[in-house]
Amino acid sequence: DIQMTQSPSTLSASVGDRVAITCRASQSINGWLAWYQQKPGKAPKLLIYKVSALASGVPSRFSGSGSETEFTLTISSLQPDDFATYYCQEYNSDSQVTFGQGTKVEIK
Amino acid sequence: EVQLLESGGGLVHPGGSLRLSCAASEFMFNNYAMTWVRQGPGKGLEWVSTISESGERTSHADSVKGRFTISRDNPRNTLYLQMNGLRAEDTAIYYCAREQFAGNFGDTFDYWGQGILVSVSA
Repeated sequence: DIQMTQSPSTLSASVGDRVAITCRASQSINGWLAWYQQKPGKAPKLLIYKVSALASGVPSRFSGSGSETEFTLTISSLQPDDFATYYCQEYNSDSQVTFGQGTKVEIK
Repeated sequence: EVQLLESGGGLVHPGGSLRLSCAASEFMFNNYAMTWVRQGPGKGLEWVSTISESGERTSHADSVKGRFTISRDNPRNTLYLQMNGLRAEDTAIYYCAREQFAGNFGDTFDYWGQGILVSVSA
């Protein structure tokens, strides 16, 4: 099974900061990597799929990059609405998916 | 707007059973694979099960294999999760989610329900 490891677990930042979250896969996932945002008490929201494709309605300050086993979610200028927990997800296998453990972005 | 509404959660004793339902609306339900994802208290997201558009193909996480069964009723636009042999570690919020692209199976999920709580406790 593929393991997904995110870092950091918690990130403290201020409005306007550029932030980056890393996700590492235990083996190559051929670019099948997505990112979700989750706020407390709410369902996750799809942000990015296929490493760098923005989901519908997602602001352009969100971007994704990476390949093979290392991937990054970048928020170019953190907004108040962006304080949340972020999860990466691999979907390389045709029979199951795996999420990372999450990265909480909190106010500094 | 796509809507997914879970029901059927609640408190159950260890070893007990529950059936979750997810009522779908405002999209062609029989064109999309559907998935259940759960989140334990204070924990991350865990994929549980996926079912193809027709229901012919299913996949379950090892942690629930042999105990949980995903199914769907396309004429009723409803997804199900039959949960048997429940354990304390199954306590979680359970979300149903729609496949982002019609025809895909267990890839990315663009619409999610609000979640339903399942508590397993003596």
